[in-house]
Amino acid sequence: AQSVTQPDIHITVSEGASLELRCNYSYGATPYLFWYVQSPGQGLQLLLKYFSGDTLVQGIKGFEAEFKRSQSSFNLRKPSVHWSDAAEYFCAVTGTASKLTFGTGTRLQVTL
Amino acid sequence: DTAVSQTPKYLVTQMGNDKSIKCEQNLGHDTMYWYKQDSKKFLKIMFSYNNKELIINETVPNRFSPKSPDKAHLNLHINSLELGDSAVYFCASSQDLGDEQYFGPGTRLTVT
Repeated sequence: AQSVTQPDIHITVSEGASLELRCNYSYGATPYLFWYVQSPGQGLQLLLKYFSGDTLVQGIKGFEAEFKRSQSSFNLRKPSVHWSDAAEYFCAVTGTASKLTFGTGTRLQVTL
Repeated sequence: DTAVSQTPKYLVTQMGNDKSIKCEQNLGHDTMYWYKQDSKKFLKIMFSYNNKELIINETVPNRFSPKSPDKAHLNLHINSLELGDSAVYFCASSQDLGDEQYFGPGTRLTVT
């Protein structure tokens, strides 16, 4: 069965600092990987996705993620965090004709 | 233009009542979903429809019944509401199962 692990429940960073959110997945075939962001009281917005090809993918709002098959990881990064990035971040995995499975989320707090 | 819309945004009701949540997407997608997000922010798929056909039905009580009158709409009807049904319900759509999903703003259901 497919699964996603986000080991960090809560992360606090200072504005302007770099950010890395961890995601590990389990999937029996070639995975499709996603990062979504959820601001308080809002729906989920897609930040970026990996289907195939270049393992470093660029997303919106200055985010990027790197797919590492050997480590079953898809970590999200941003070089300089802004206060508006404070939100809940979800990693998710699916495959061809497969349901989307989410991780438990990482809450990002940004201090000024 | 709102891509995926849900009504109502908030729903407060008493135990035992029956309620419906409506979802519409104007993206021309073939697949629609319902997710439940619990108080710990965990997101779990409930149902998925593709071209008005049910393709995913997770272990959801029979009190929950999705209805898809056409490809652009997927409504969720809940009978005999229980306290444990309190959650945020998200509708989503994608072109096909396994593709990136676009989420609605959510419906916060509170059962008293």
